[in-house]
Amino acid sequence: GAVVSQHPSWVICKSGTSVKIECRSLDFQATTMFWYRQFPKQSLMLMATSNEGSKATYEQGVEKDKFLINHASLTLSTLTVTSAHPEDSSFYICSASSGESSYEQYFGPGTRLTVT
Amino acid sequence: GQNIDQPTEMTATEGAIVQINCTYQTSGFNGLFWYQQHAGEAPTFLSYNVLDGLEEKGRFSSFLSRSKGYSYLLLKELQMKDSASYLCAVRDGDYKLSFGAGTTVTVRA
Repeated sequence: GAVVSQHPSWVICKSGTSVKIECRSLDFQATTMFWYRQFPKQSLMLMATSNEGSKATYEQGVEKDKFLINHASLTLSTLTVTSAHPEDSSFYICSASSGESSYEQYFGPGTRLTVT
Repeated sequence: GQNIDQPTEMTATEGAIVQINCTYQTSGFNGLFWYQQHAGEAPTFLSYNVLDGLEEKGRFSSFLSRSKGYSYLLLKELQMKDSASYLCAVRDGDYKLSFGAGTTVTVRA
């Protein structure tokens, strides 16, 4: 149980284009989803927290107009990187929590974004 | 905010024991987690401590001292597959996780 999927697993796009990454909880309802970014040999940095049906809460320094997050249902959240630039190339990981006093966040397998 | 420190790298021999220390300074504390991450993959959950003391789970154990802002992850009977990055993460009152930079453990034959 508690499986989280991400799609795509990797993507290459040209500078200036937009990319959408999907995060799905497959066997539970995720009231809260988190989006992280990880640069090579660095740790995971929380970008934003999203609750189903409400606007995402962004961490300091993360541009909400560049990283659009939608959490339209209890099993799906999307992250859209708009007008991507090479410096946005990173490993994007989502996690999901059921919110039922569970202490765990269940992580997706990650999406490797390369902007050329 | 959270300030989380752990060593960058550790090397040990197959079959040995390795202890990875983690110190943290936090504005709010609601549990400490350890994750294992292989290169290019997402983190996988290893352990969780919210009260002081030792939690043992097979070959892995984790210890927490809240008063000292200190935790360690103990890996026993090391196997080659244990070569990975180990992340210490602290959860705050809003259920957000802050991660340390990770400790890369290399297991040698």
